[in-house]
Amino acid sequence: DAKTTQPTSMDCAEGRAANLPCNHSTISGNEYVYWYRQIHSQGPQYIIHGLKNNETNEMASLIITEDRKSSTLILPHATLRDTAVYYCIVRVASWDKLIFGQGTTLQVKP
Amino acid sequence: GAVVSQHPSRVICKSGTSVKIECRSLDFQATTMFWYRQFPKKSLMLMATSNEGSKATYEQGVEKDKFLINHASLTLSTLTVTSAHPEDSSFYICSAPDRLYNEQFFGPGTRLTVL
Repeated sequence: DAKTTQPTSMDCAEGRAANLPCNHSTISGNEYVYWYRQIHSQGPQYIIHGLKNNETNEMASLIITEDRKSSTLILPHATLRDTAVYYCIVRVASWDKLIFGQGTTLQVKP
Repeated sequence: GAVVSQHPSRVICKSGTSVKIECRSLDFQATTMFWYRQFPKKSLMLMATSNEGSKATYEQGVEKDKFLINHASLTLSTLTVTSAHPEDSSFYICSAPDRLYNEQFFGPGTRLTVL
């Protein structure tokens, strides 16, 4: 079973920041938080991951709470192309198998 | 990032036939690859872990005789759906971890339709 819970769906206005929450209250000390997204009928795409510190890359920012029980993925300026299902996954290493939950369907609207 | 390809991207077959799907890591070696299936409007479900040079590890409930996996080289894993039936129609996706990037990369998926 997936170890994370996410809202089923969210809407965001184009150009605004999209904040996608994820709860992982049972996360272990050696588990990372990973985010992927899947655009319709494509394979999933890696976005970002972190252990305890906040992380930022060219796609997004990841904010992890101090107790590591939840995190938020931030897309700073959402575009229509960011419409996708976003998955939050916890795992120990990048070569571990991925167990997908239901994810959050983000709809970016004009 | 690294690139993973799948072939074919789409296949339609008759019930009872077998279909082979290839997953290749194009610019890195992958001793492990993963196979997923996805039904419409559903999440990805892990089917099996493909290990180069050894037997695949199947998730609970996945029939190993139905879904044959062969990982013959460090860049190629194949999934064969044997005696396919309409209920096997699905979107099949593979992934491979690349330790250089410390990340897993996914193929574009294969849409299988069994008539």
